[in-house]
Amino acid sequence: DVKVTQSSRYLVKRTGEKVFLECVQDMDHENMFWYRQDPGLGLRLIYFSYDVKMKEKGDIPEGYSVSREKKERFSLILESASTNQTSMYLCASRIREGKTYNSPLHFGNGTRLTVT
Amino acid sequence: KNQVEQSPQSLIILEGKNCTLQCNYTVSPFSNLRWYKQDTGRGPVSLTIMTFSENTKSNGRYTATLDADTKQSSLHITASQLSDSASYICVVSAQTRDDKIIFGKGTRLHILP
Repeated sequence: DVKVTQSSRYLVKRTGEKVFLECVQDMDHENMFWYRQDPGLGLRLIYFSYDVKMKEKGDIPEGYSVSREKKERFSLILESASTNQTSMYLCASRIREGKTYNSPLHFGNGTRLTVT
Repeated sequence: KNQVEQSPQSLIILEGKNCTLQCNYTVSPFSNLRWYKQDTGRGPVSLTIMTFSENTKSNGRYTATLDADTKQSSLHITASQLSDSASYICVVSAQTRDDKIIFGKGTRLHILP
């Protein structure tokens, strides 16, 4: 079974702090994603990575950056945390099967971040 | 604009009853449609995938349908159990260079004993 592990389940940070959210997958998947999930808004894509050292902006990248130095690890960085970044953050990975993308996303259990 | 709309937003049914969740999409070009189940405090888990040529697919008590002409999908749950209480998210992938993935906002299902 694919395992996607997020380093923290709950995190409380102060406004202005630099925050690191870590995600590790154990199945050698090429693609990795960071989403945030808010009530009434569903999942929104922040950043994604096709492979090591690669990154692409999603729909809401402002205030965030990412790092993918190793294939199994994808980090989300909040450069200066703000209260509107209080949310549930979900990491996901997916294998690329040739030129098709029919494989499912495998999600971690999320990090609930509160910025005060 | 690529969109996925789900209805209802929330649903409450008694244990043992059946229910049907709806998903309408305007995603083009269409690649596939997945239903995910998200238990409280957990990440979503894929239940089933529907491709263009498939009309119906079952996974235990879950049956998904797809009408590619009307761009509608449904997820039918038979003989509901308390463990079916969760959010169900419809996700459509576009057949584009960047494989755009579009999420619905989900249906929150509550099963009462």
